[in-house]
Amino acid sequence: QKEVEQNSGPLSVPEGAIASLNCTYSDRGSQSFFWYRQYSGKSPELIMFIYSNGDKEDGRFTAQLNKASQYVSLLIRDSQPSDSATYLCAVNPPSSASKIIFGSGTRLSIRP
Amino acid sequence: KAGVTQTPRYLIKTRGQQVTLSCSPISGHRSVSWYQQTPGQGLQFLFEYFSETQRNKGNFPGRFSGRQFSNSRSEMNVSTLELGDSALYLCASSSGHGDGNQPQHFGDGTRLSIL
Repeated sequence: QKEVEQNSGPLSVPEGAIASLNCTYSDRGSQSFFWYRQYSGKSPELIMFIYSNGDKEDGRFTAQLNKASQYVSLLIRDSQPSDSATYLCAVNPPSSASKIIFGSGTRLSIRP
Repeated sequence: KAGVTQTPRYLIKTRGQQVTLSCSPISGHRSVSWYQQTPGQGLQFLFEYFSETQRNKGNFPGRFSGRQFSNSRSEMNVSTLELGDSALYLCASSSGHGDGNQPQHFGDGTRLSIL
């Protein structure tokens, strides 16, 4: 079992709709969770981070964390073509000390 | 506040050569991590430094090495380059005590091509 798993996609969402990206992790003791956006040929850019169960909202983005079920999700409201990118989930499991583990990413495509 | 700076941005080398990549973290950040990213692959962790000490190392051969200086700047070195080393090399820095609870901020990367 991979430490951090994401559906590779592509996930196709119509413009203006809600895009939902999911991530599961294996280490139940994980405390920190991050979402990054990566455009083709560019480096990852931090979008959100969340530490506590529940929802955290920032503009059109909402991160949701459920530690009991070991998943974290990212919702993008009012999706725009500029949201088309690969989204990386990252987790800091205690078993890896200071190392952050990245998922392989979900490719999101917003169709006009 | 300046972001993470990586130099050079692009590099072309031939097999058997060696290369050194540089990373200047965000001011005040003491944790620096290096990743390799190839097409179709996720971010592959190379190593992580905190206060000049390597604390974690990924599953890469000994040809890949790194170090961190007292000003937190970091370098990574790849010796005896192979075609498979062609990749985007990313450096990321984070604040705090480098315990992984703070987000990492990435530089623009160095794109290394091996001929």
